Amino acid sequence: ELKVEQNPLFLSMQEGKNYTIYCNYSTTSDRLYWYRQDPGKSLESLFVLLSNGAVKQEGRLMASLDTKARLSTLHITAAVHDLSATYFCAVGPPNFGNEKLTFGTGTRLTIIP
Amino acid sequence: GAVVSQHPSWVICKSGTSVKIECRSLDFQATTMFWYRQFPKQSLMLMATSNEGSKATYEQGVEKDKFLINHASLTLSTLTVTSAHPEDSSFYICSAASSAGIQYFGAGTRLSVL
Repeated sequence: ELKVEQNPLFLSMQEGKNYTIYCNYSTTSDRLYWYRQDPGKSLESLFVLLSNGAVKQEGRLMASLDTKARLSTLHITAAVHDLSATYFCAVGPPNFGNEKLTFGTGTRLTIIP
Repeated sequence: GAVVSQHPSWVICKSGTSVKIECRSLDFQATTMFWYRQFPKQSLMLMATSNEGSKATYEQGVEKDKFLINHASLTLSTLTVTSAHPEDSSFYICSAASSAGIQYFGAGTRLSVL
C-alpha cells in the first residue's frame, strides 16, 4: 500500500523567509504532483514532476523530485502573505495508466506579515 | 489548462434525501474520473474511480449502495449520495484524468445534511 507523508503538518513563518516542505512516499513511483488549496476551495495544480531529478519553478515556489530517495520537496523563497494556503503532494502508482493518486496529509502554511 | 466543472458548489439537504453531484470535463474527454471526499482540515480521500461505460471501482470502506456513481459519457460522471445523513456532510471533489494522465479537479461540492 502506497503511503505519502508530508512534513511539517503546520507551518507559520514570517514574510521574506525561506522554507522547505517535504513529501516522502513509500513505494516506487515517478509521478508526483503538488497542489495548493485555499480555504473552502478545491485544488489548484502547481507542479507535475515526472522523472528523477525533475525540478520546476514558478514564482517563489520550486519543486523537485528524487525518485531514488522517494522524496519530493517544495521550497518557498522569500515568502509573501499570498502564499498562505494548504499544500498537498500526491503520488501516482508505478504502473502508468492507473491514474489513482494517493495524497499526503497536507501542510498548512501561514505567512505572517 | 483543462477545465472540469462540478455542480452544485454547495447543497444543504434534509436527512434521508438523496443528492446528485455532477462532474463534467468541458474541453477534453475523460475515460476515468475520480471522486474524493475531504473532511475539514484533512486530506483528500479517494472514494471511487469512475470508468466510462463500466462499473465504478470503490475504495475499501466506501458503501457502493450509498454513493452511486454513474459515468455515462466521456465528459460526465455523477455521484449520488442516497439517503444522506449528517455524517455524510463533507466536501466532495471530483477530478478527470486527461489522456496524458494528468488529473484536473472540479471546484468541489460542499454537502451539508441537516
